[in-house]
Parts: sequence; C-alpha cells; structure tokens
Amino acid sequence: AQSVTQLDSQVPVFEEAPVELRCNYSSSVSVYLFWYVQYPNQGLQLLLKYLSGSTLVKGINGFEAEFNKSQTSFHLRKPSVHISDTAEYFCAVSDPPDYKLSFGAGTTVTVRA
Amino acid sequence: DTGVSQDPRHKITKRGQNVTFRCDPISEHNRLYWYRQTLGQGPEFLTYFQNEAQLEKSRLLSDRFSAERPKGSFSTLEIQRTEQGDSAMYLCASSSRRAGTGELFFGEGSRLTVL
Repeated sequence: AQSVTQLDSQVPVFEEAPVELRCNYSSSVSVYLFWYVQYPNQGLQLLLKYLSGSTLVKGINGFEAEFNKSQTSFHLRKPSVHISDTAEYFCAVSDPPDYKLSFGAGTTVTVRA
Repeated sequence: DTGVSQDPRHKITKRGQNVTFRCDPISEHNRLYWYRQTLGQGPEFLTYFQNEAQLEKSRLLSDRFSAERPKGSFSTLEIQRTEQGDSAMYLCASSSRRAGTGELFFGEGSRLTVL
C-alpha cells in the first residue's frame, strides 16, 4: 500500500516570501504524484501532477514541484506567496490501474501580511 | 457547471438516524470515488466504482455504510444508525479511465455533523 508523509503540518509565511512544502512517499513501483489545495469549506483542487518525463512540474497559481525518485520525494514550491495562498495543501500518490489516491495528512499554509 | 456536485452540502443529524449523500460525477466519467475527511487529516479512501460495479471497499467502510451507483452515473452513500464518530466531510470524486492520467476531480463535499 502507498503511504505519503507530509513533513510539516503547519507553515506560516510572510507575503511575497518563498515557501516549500515537503512530501515523501513510499512505493516500490512507478507512481503518479499530485498536489491538491483545499480552501476552507471547499473540495480539493488540483495544483499539479507528475506522471512521467521532466522531474520539474509546473502547476497553477505559480506553484511548481520537483520529483526525486532516489529520495522518493515530491516537494512543492512557490517563489512568492500571496495572502490568497492561505489554504490546506495535500500531497497524494496513486498507481494504475485503479488510480486510487492515498493522501498525506496535509500542510496548513498561513500567509501573513 | 459540469463539475462534480454533491448534495446536501451540510447535514446535521441525531445519533442513530440514517443519512444519505448523493454525488453526481462529471458526465462520462466512468470512475467514481468516495473519501472521508476528518478535521486536520487528509482524505481517506472509502470505496470506488467503475461504471456500476463497486470494485473496492476500504476497511473503514463498516457494515453501517453502503454505497451504490445503480446506473453507472450518480452515486449514493448511506450511513445507517449514525454515530458521533461518523462526523466528517464526505468527498466524492470522479475520473476517466480512458484519460489514463490518474487525476481525480473532487466535489465540494458533504459535511456531516452527528449530535
């Protein structure tokens, strides 16, 4: 079974500062990797995904993530955050054929002015 | 709007009552998933359907829980004899097996509060 560890439960950050959210996964097979964002009282929205190819993946709202197979990591970064980036961020892993996602516990990002 | 829709968005019930949630997936998505999310946790897989067939159920899905997708379109999740521990957000997601990307599209969830 897949498992995902998000190493930071809460990340406070000032507006316009960079942020990195760490994610490690355990799997012995090829996997698909995802980052989702959840705003209060809403469902999950896909930020970006890694399926294959380039290890640097760019997503929406200026986010990017780097897949590192040797370290089984998929860390999310943004060079300059906005107040509107305050949300819960989830790393997830799936593998074919059922594409069932396994999620990490989440990282709460709070952006302060 | 052609996204995943869930109904109701909020449900408050008394312990012991039955509740039912409905999920309408994106049109022509043949896979439908149910997840449960409690406060401060990531979503946990409950069950999934491919068309009308329920292909996998998590051990989290006790015998008080039942999910159906009778015509391969919308799905219902029923909880019988609710307990306070059932209080959570129930998320539905759909995907297209043909797309082969593994991306799940989520609805906004149904929040259950059991008093």
